[in-house]
Amino acid sequence: AQSVSQHNHHVILSEAASLELGCNYSYGGTVNLFWYVQYPGQHLQLLLKYFSGDPLVKGIKGFEAEFIKSKFSFNLRKPSVQWSDTAEYFCAVNAGQLWNTPLVFGKGTRLSVIA
Amino acid sequence: SQTIHQWPATLVQPVGSPLSLECTVEGTSNPNLYWYRQAAGRGLQLLFYSVGIGQISSEVPQNLSASRPQDRQFILSSKKLLLSDSGFYLCAWSPLSGTVNFEAFFGQGTRLTVV
Repeated sequence: AQSVSQHNHHVILSEAASLELGCNYSYGGTVNLFWYVQYPGQHLQLLLKYFSGDPLVKGIKGFEAEFIKSKFSFNLRKPSVQWSDTAEYFCAVNAGQLWNTPLVFGKGTRLSVIA
Repeated sequence: SQTIHQWPATLVQPVGSPLSLECTVEGTSNPNLYWYRQAAGRGLQLLFYSVGIGQISSEVPQNLSASRPQDRQFILSSKKLLLSDSGFYLCAWSPLSGTVNFEAFFGQGTRLTVV
């Protein structure tokens, strides 16, 4: 079974600082990888996803993530955060070649951006 | 376009009372349906998923059950709520396989407080 580890529980950054949130998964086969974001009071939204191809994936709002297969990692990055990026971020994985396997999520990382 | 409806948004129930949370999806056929529970610091825990009417897979044995009486309807139930059932419950859907590369779309969630 797949599992996802997000090592940072709460990250506090100043505006314009660079962001990197760690995500590691455990699964030996092909995987699909996702980052979701939950802004305060809102529902979960997809930030970006990786299925195949270029391991550097660009998402909405200036976010990107890099799939490093050898490290089983899919870290989320943003060069310069804004106050509006304050939210909870979830990494998720599902087995890429298994029919109808559900998404397995990490425990989430809460990002607080301060002025 | 597809939409997902989940209700109620908030619910306060006494210990020992029954529970019924409903989720419906519009604009798609044969979706995969999921119930997740989100607890602070614990991420999203997959509770149940369904690939078709009457087909329910349970991920975590507990006081809850799920049913799928219609193609686009997914219900989360309990006969007798426990205090530990308090949490934020999220319904989600994803396209049925035909493509294994999918993403999950989430509803607004139900905040359940058992008192």
